Amino acid sequence: NAGVMQNPRHLVRRRGQEARLRCSPMKGHSHVYWYRQLPEEGLKFMVYLQKENIIDESGMPKERFSAEFPKEGPSILRIQQVVRGDSAAYFCASSPLLNTEAFFGQGTRLTVV
Amino acid sequence: KNEVEQSPQNLTAQEGEFITINCSYSVGISALHWLQQHPGGGIVSLFMLSSGKKKHGRLIATINIQEKHSSLHITASHPRDSAVYICAVINAGGTSYGKLTFGQGTILTVHP
Repeated sequence: NAGVMQNPRHLVRRRGQEARLRCSPMKGHSHVYWYRQLPEEGLKFMVYLQKENIIDESGMPKERFSAEFPKEGPSILRIQQVVRGDSAAYFCASSPLLNTEAFFGQGTRLTVV
Repeated sequence: KNEVEQSPQNLTAQEGEFITINCSYSVGISALHWLQQHPGGGIVSLFMLSSGKKKHGRLIATINIQEKHSSLHITASHPRDSAVYICAVINAGGTSYGKLTFGQGTILTVHP
């Protein structure tokens, strides 16, 4: 059973481009969380999704950021028109049931130049 | 004041020493995680606990729900234990949805 898979591991984008970050949860896990770790800061919650539904997006910036978890395929975190302040490590975590142990991916390190 | 506070922020030890990292939180929780992150690396869940004590190898985690406090202990520390250790809580309540609130992390360096 593979762990949580995130790709790419590293992503470089120019200002104004779009960034797409992918997360494949562990097999059998239907709960997906995205967290962001800004440089020299702690981790912060962004969004919680179940298959085809956004349950809680209270941590997502109101503009340019969106997330989805389709019926088939990985969860996608999409950042449109990236700015330098979006440079961070983005982590995905999945769990099989609500309030059970979460398993993290290796993260995607986004650098905006 | 953050909902989750860790101490110390930085910790340096000699190989073989017993290490304790503390975590205090100010909200009601349903569970607490201890996580490990190596520089530039991913995040590994070490423990999830809601009461008592758990042990895995040289790692021990305890939690006191009444005092809203948890500790992570490392016995016989080793340089490979050098990492950032992060405490994270799941808030109690129906709208928490299992999302984690994180402490700022403790940077541990173990010298040979």
